[in-house]
Amino acid sequence: GENVEQHPSTLSVQEGDSAVIKCTYSDSASNYFPWYKQELGKGPQLIIDIRSNVGEKKDQRIAVTLNKTAKHFSLHITETQPEDSAVYFCAANILTGGGNKLTFGTGTQLKVEL
Amino acid sequence: ETGVTQTPRHLVMGMTNKKSLKCEQHLGHNAMYWYKQSAKKPLELMFVYNFKEQTENNSVPSRFSPECPNSSHLFLHLHTLQPEDSALYLCASSQDGGVSQPQHFGDGTRLSIL
Repeated sequence: GENVEQHPSTLSVQEGDSAVIKCTYSDSASNYFPWYKQELGKGPQLIIDIRSNVGEKKDQRIAVTLNKTAKHFSLHITETQPEDSAVYFCAANILTGGGNKLTFGTGTQLKVEL
Repeated sequence: ETGVTQTPRHLVMGMTNKKSLKCEQHLGHNAMYWYKQSAKKPLELMFVYNFKEQTENNSVPSRFSPECPNSSHLFLHLHTLQPEDSALYLCASSQDGGVSQPQHFGDGTRLSIL
């Protein structure tokens, strides 16, 4: 079935450095790729998403890039801050069978150290 | 405040108990979802409702029974659960069940089966 692979599973950076999380997807028909941030004791929060008609999208310190040919997409966080520490999940939509279904990666634990 | 409220936040139950999880969304959305989140595994979609009609049952055991009385409320009725059902159960909503609609999550119910 359709799946999404996410790397790395853990990432530790110094405050102010950049962090990059990468995902690959298997369904070439996927056209919507959201990213979620999950803090301890909370549910996943949508932080940015990208659709297949664009290659890059930015929102302040967060950017997402998409390479449809290679079926890769990445999350870039610049000037990291301690409050960026959380688990980040990528996802891709599943078009088989219709409806609004997402398949998720296994998550990246990001730790921003002072 | 995510606009999606789940109660209770924590639940401990025995394998022979019957309990229900509740989800309410205040976003004016028409599609609602139940997900299961277990450690080290991707989020697993369980059920999808669109305009109160169930449109997806992802091969979920019958000991989980969903109910959607209106577009704002979603329940998950639990009975005769197994220890492996211990997990974080997340509710989400989207504008409708159309492809590529952003999904917004609640903070989940942490379920422990004794």
